[in-house]
Amino acid sequence: KAGVTQTPRYLIKTRGQQVTLSCSPISGHRSVSWYQQTPGQGLQFLFEYFSETQRNKGNFPGRFSGRQFSNSRSEMNVSTLELGDSALYLCASGDGQPSTDTQYFGPGTRLTVL
Amino acid sequence: KNEVEQSPQNLTAQEGEFITINCSYSVGISALHWLQQHPGGGIVSLFMLSSGKKKHGRLIATINIQEKHSSLHITASHPRDSAVYICAVRRGGSNYKLTFGKGTLLTVNP
Repeated sequence: KAGVTQTPRYLIKTRGQQVTLSCSPISGHRSVSWYQQTPGQGLQFLFEYFSETQRNKGNFPGRFSGRQFSNSRSEMNVSTLELGDSALYLCASGDGQPSTDTQYFGPGTRLTVL
Repeated sequence: KNEVEQSPQNLTAQEGEFITINCSYSVGISALHWLQQHPGGGIVSLFMLSSGKKKHGRLIATINIQEKHSSLHITASHPRDSAVYICAVRRGGSNYKLTFGKGTLLTVNP
């Protein structure tokens, strides 16, 4: 099976712009989670989608949003970018059952905000 | 205080040494994950535990639910084991959120 893919791998934006990141899960996986990784805060949970519904949300402002399509592919959008949004954004897919789920991570999108 | 604490933050070992990384958490959980991240690389899930012990090759993970503590052991360490090891917990119930420790940077010298 192909692994989790994320596009683009690298992105440079300026403050105030918006950005959309894409994640394609492993075939058959219905859950997609998004994470932000920074040197200062480490890994932080953004949100999780299961069967096109946002099931859980982390403590991020409303500028961070996402959606999931019927084929389980997911997109994450960040509006009005700030310098502090520079980070590695990772998505992970799984079977969506919390007690048994193993997370399979994509390679990440490195976002730099200038 | 963070919900998930790892120790040590940094660990340097000689090839062949036995390595232990610890993780303590303060909330009720349904599962605990150990992840590995190589410099510049993606994240690989090593173990998911809800009780007891799991072994994969030279890696062993244990969890004590009553004490809210888990350990990751590496036997006969090798330079290719050099990476950041991250502990993450998933709360019970319908909460799917993963909460992460800050990670342990392991360097194994030849």
